[in-house]
This record gives sequence, C-alpha cells and structure tokens, in this order.
Amino acid sequence: QQPVQSPQAVILREGEDAVINCSSSKALYSVHWYRQKHGEAPVFLMILLKGGEQKGHEKISASFNEKKQQSSLYLTASQLSYSGTYFCGTENWGGADGLTFGKGTHLIIQP
Amino acid sequence: DSGVTQTPKHLITATGQRVTLRCSPRSGDLSVYWYQQSLDQGLQFLIQYYNGEERAKGNILERFSAQQFPDLHSELNLSSLELGDSALYFCASSVVDRADTIYFGEGSWLTVV
Repeated sequence: QQPVQSPQAVILREGEDAVINCSSSKALYSVHWYRQKHGEAPVFLMILLKGGEQKGHEKISASFNEKKQQSSLYLTASQLSYSGTYFCGTENWGGADGLTFGKGTHLIIQP
Repeated sequence: DSGVTQTPKHLITATGQRVTLRCSPRSGDLSVYWYQQSLDQGLQFLIQYYNGEERAKGNILERFSAQQFPDLHSELNLSSLELGDSALYFCASSVVDRADTIYFGEGSWLTVV
C-alpha cells in the first residue's frame, strides 16, 4: 500500500525551510527518500532503518517515528538546487510489498 | 550515470501490441525493480526480482510480466497495450533485496497510440 505524502506541493523562497511528511498504514521496516528533477531519474537521498533514527547532513535530514509509522524530511535554508519532486518509499516488515513510493511532493524554490 | 542501463529509451507503438523493455543492473547488484511513472500516479511499484527469483509484487497488471535472467538482466513484457499504458518505465537495482539504496536507470518512455 502506497505511503501518503504531504504536502502535495510547496513553494519557497531561497533560504526558507520546508518539511515533507510521509505516513503509512503498515508497520515500517525502512523509509527511503529520493529526489527527482524534471526529466531525470530519481536520486537517492537517505534511508532510515530504525525507529527514532535521524539521518542526513546539515541542511537535509530526516526522522523516522516507528510508532507513528511516519517519517519527515527536513530541508533547511533551501537552495535553488533543492527544487524537484521528493518521494518517500517504504518497506513494511512483511517485505512482500516491495519498496513502495508515495505520490511525491513538488518543491519549487524561488530566488 | 547510475550504472543501470535501460533500452529502448523511447518506444511508440499501437494499441494491442506487445513490447519488451530491457534492464541491465549495476555490476554486482542482485536485485532488480520495475516502476511505472505517469503524471498523476507518481512511482508505481510493479515487481522486484532478487537473484533470479520474484521477491515482491506490486500493482502489476496481468497483461504485464517480467523475469530476471541468470546473467541478472531483466525484461518487462507489456502486452495487449492500451492508451493508458503510456508512461515512463523505470528499472532500478540494488545489491541486496531490501533496506538498501536502489539506483534508477534513465527510464524507457512508452507511448501507445
């Protein structure tokens, strides 16, 4: 079953922050975050494997709340290069559903 | 360049026809995934193979089938094509079968007319 992402789209000015949320109705084994620019293939950002785990670098990071079956992606001090569509992908504990992605969040950064 | 190779890059075919999309995973990767991307549906997971065996199945239509060969390349067969099958089909690969970074190919654009 597809995870649900919110918001569907965000428009920011350069330097502003954004949070993208991802939730699932099933217990999660892992959460993956990818970014796709127009006309290109999705590119890996990070994987979170444990409940409560936070990963990432200074300006792009993510958290995983296993209990709530949710993950959030944090983009701070956004840059023009952050524009694109962000997808969260989830694997549940059963594994038979594979790596299933949400519908994506469109992020537009304006100068 | 992710190292995942997909052919053909573009394909235009008529309704009712059958096509085969091919994917070569990154060297050393045992797992292959297929995804369909259309404008309003995001990345739809179709099917995953690991070392030649089906590992996971998503929303793959009965008209579609896939396999992974002993040399680990994979093919996605789409038959009795309909206009709604027009989409970008991505192949991706990873070393192991779960909780691993997956690398996407450039995709195969299928247009059904």
